[in-house]
Amino acid sequence: GAGVSQSPRYKVAKRGQDVALRCDPISGHVSLFWYQQALGQGPEFLTYFQNEAQLDKSGLPSDRFFAERPEGSVSTLKIQRTQQEDSAVYLCASSLAVLRGTEAFFGQGTRLTVV
Amino acid sequence: GENVEQHPSTLSVQEGDSAVIKCTYSDSASNYFPWYKQELGKGPQLIIDIRSNVGEKKDQRIAVTLNKTAKHFSLHITETQPEDSAVYFCAALYSGAGSYQLTFGKGTKLSVIP
Repeated sequence: GAGVSQSPRYKVAKRGQDVALRCDPISGHVSLFWYQQALGQGPEFLTYFQNEAQLDKSGLPSDRFFAERPEGSVSTLKIQRTQQEDSAVYLCASSLAVLRGTEAFFGQGTRLTVV
Repeated sequence: GENVEQHPSTLSVQEGDSAVIKCTYSDSASNYFPWYKQELGKGPQLIIDIRSNVGEKKDQRIAVTLNKTAKHFSLHITETQPEDSAVYFCAALYSGAGSYQLTFGKGTKLSVIP
């Protein structure tokens, strides 16, 4: 596609509910990142994939957060038993190749509100 | 890991004036420094970037400078226009142990007053 696509754009979840957020990266992009952006803050790193391999998940806040990219393209970020502190915008970015420090392009994000 | 500090947090300028946003980073191994513009309700949009083997880069009204010794980099916007109003983020690419993380500053809200 023309850009990184994320769905849904908005999600309201009741506390304790599980949610799944989808990211469609730019076609052919090897690297995929997930970031969490709290209101008024900069994006915070969650996890990084190179193709289907999750090379870094050090930013995931707890074991309730899980991400996958089984075929090296579409990725899903899953949050189990959502808590109010999970409310944030979740951003996905993709990059052609990270080693050369190439540009990372972001999607519009999914705004998650836990009530 | 990397730590990026960004100043100021808010900046108001008159239309036509210049705006400067400054960032510092902590990890000398970081080698790629992008700047993003984020408008309300949208994802960050890359506006310019600089790699560690370059000291300055310019693209029309936007320029970025990098001082590797001091671990400083700055964004300069000249002849500001109302559509430049947005939140700007600097970032540094940290790589280690097979991973690559963009670490962001906390952002600068730029307001250009017509």
